[in-house]
Amino acid sequence: QVQLVESGGGLVKPGGSLRLSCTPSGFSFSDYYMSWIRQAPGKALEWVAYISFSGNTIYYADSVKGRFTISRDNALNSVSLQLNSLRVEDTAVYHCARLRGMPGGDGYYFDYWGQGTLVTVSS
Amino acid sequence: DIQLTQSPSFLSASVGDRVTISCRASQVISSYVAWYQQKPGKAPKLLIYGTSTLQSGVPSRFSGSGSGTEFTLTISSLQPEDFATYSCQHLSTYPPITFGPGTKVDIK
Repeated sequence: QVQLVESGGGLVKPGGSLRLSCTPSGFSFSDYYMSWIRQAPGKALEWVAYISFSGNTIYYADSVKGRFTISRDNALNSVSLQLNSLRVEDTAVYHCARLRGMPGGDGYYFDYWGQGTLVTVSS
Repeated sequence: DIQLTQSPSFLSASVGDRVTISCRASQVISSYVAWYQQKPGKAPKLLIYGTSTLQSGVPSRFSGSGSGTEFTLTISSLQPEDFATYSCQHLSTYPPITFGPGTKVDIK
């Protein structure tokens, strides 16, 4: 069955960096777009970034643009999120998710998610 | 950017109740919405995509409907395992991809 397992979260000081990883299994990884979505305590889900099959197409939320970098390695079956210049407001559980597209290009949704990894930014 | 609001933000219900959750968009959206179920410490679960298509394996007591700016998730007969938080998502073609703030369904 499809599984997504995130790792790499932890406590980091403001301005610091962290690298999150997601290890998928149960499907042909290179056939799917992948995404990161976060949820701060008591807040709504917030899409962070997504990456295309080969990594040629990448999009970021404005809140993380220029600070976070999404990447993938299809040979190693992994997708990563590099978090730089972290801020207190980046504190959240970060979920890895598989992205699916509606037929005809009518938008994207997330059909499988991981449990998430907690990132805490605090001095 | 399109903003999504949900109502109610919290509802208390009993097993067997019919539950309806609303998701409203800040402008008419020509595309679709999806609905997710979240339980504490668990991976969010896709329930419905394309506004009304049930994800494989999801019980038929869940249904979705709507168009324009108003979308609805209905649980026809609430079961003990349905107590959770439900969030809608706009199936935007281009970023950003937006979610509603969530509706927590609690036991009465």
